Amino acid sequence: AQKITQTQPGMFVQEKEAVTLDCTYDTSDPSYGLFWYKQPSSGEMIFLIYQGSYDQQNATEGRYSLNFQKARKSANLVISASQLGDSAMYFCAMREGRNYGQNFVFGPGTRLSVLP
Amino acid sequence: GEEVAQTPKHLVRGEGQKAKLYCAPIKGHSYVFWYQQVLKNEFKFLISFQNENVFDETGMPKERFSAKCLPNSPCSLEIQATKLEDSAVYFCASSQISYGEAFFGQGTRLTVV
Repeated sequence: AQKITQTQPGMFVQEKEAVTLDCTYDTSDPSYGLFWYKQPSSGEMIFLIYQGSYDQQNATEGRYSLNFQKARKSANLVISASQLGDSAMYFCAMREGRNYGQNFVFGPGTRLSVLP
Repeated sequence: GEEVAQTPKHLVRGEGQKAKLYCAPIKGHSYVFWYQQVLKNEFKFLISFQNENVFDETGMPKERFSAKCLPNSPCSLEIQATKLEDSAVYFCASSQISYGEAFFGQGTRLTVV
């Protein structure tokens, strides 16, 4: 079974609008962390935001926020006020286990295109 | 250093040749991960280290792949007798703590011809 599911292979958004990228996960471990990474066409992996399974509040980092719904096992990334530079692949990832000692498991990614 | 440094950036090998990739994690980071990314999509986990000790090697094709993280040296990933399907971008990442985010290097693009 897929541990991380990203159901949107591609998304389009108009510049300055908000966009939500979906991520659902599967784990039976109570301790886990959820992460979002951005991979522009240049290829590097850029860490965006982190949410711990015990965190009471949704994580926010600038224009990025994570809509964490634990009961639904979803961790959607919300990008507000999209910019042309946001066009990239976005990967959701999970690290689980006591002290999250296990490796990161990545979803298949969503390609976001921001339209001028 | 303040970033994960991977060398070389590009590597071309003939089928059957050896390939060796290097990774210097961020100073003070205890965990190092190697991932293989094919066609800018799926990330396949290869191996992880906690300091110089192998933490998880469940993703490694052990008959041809090996990796080390020795003190005071860059970590390395070696592929003996490369195959065409080894062509991919190999990413190294490091994290400071067992439950934190990982920071990625720029990747090494391996092309096997």
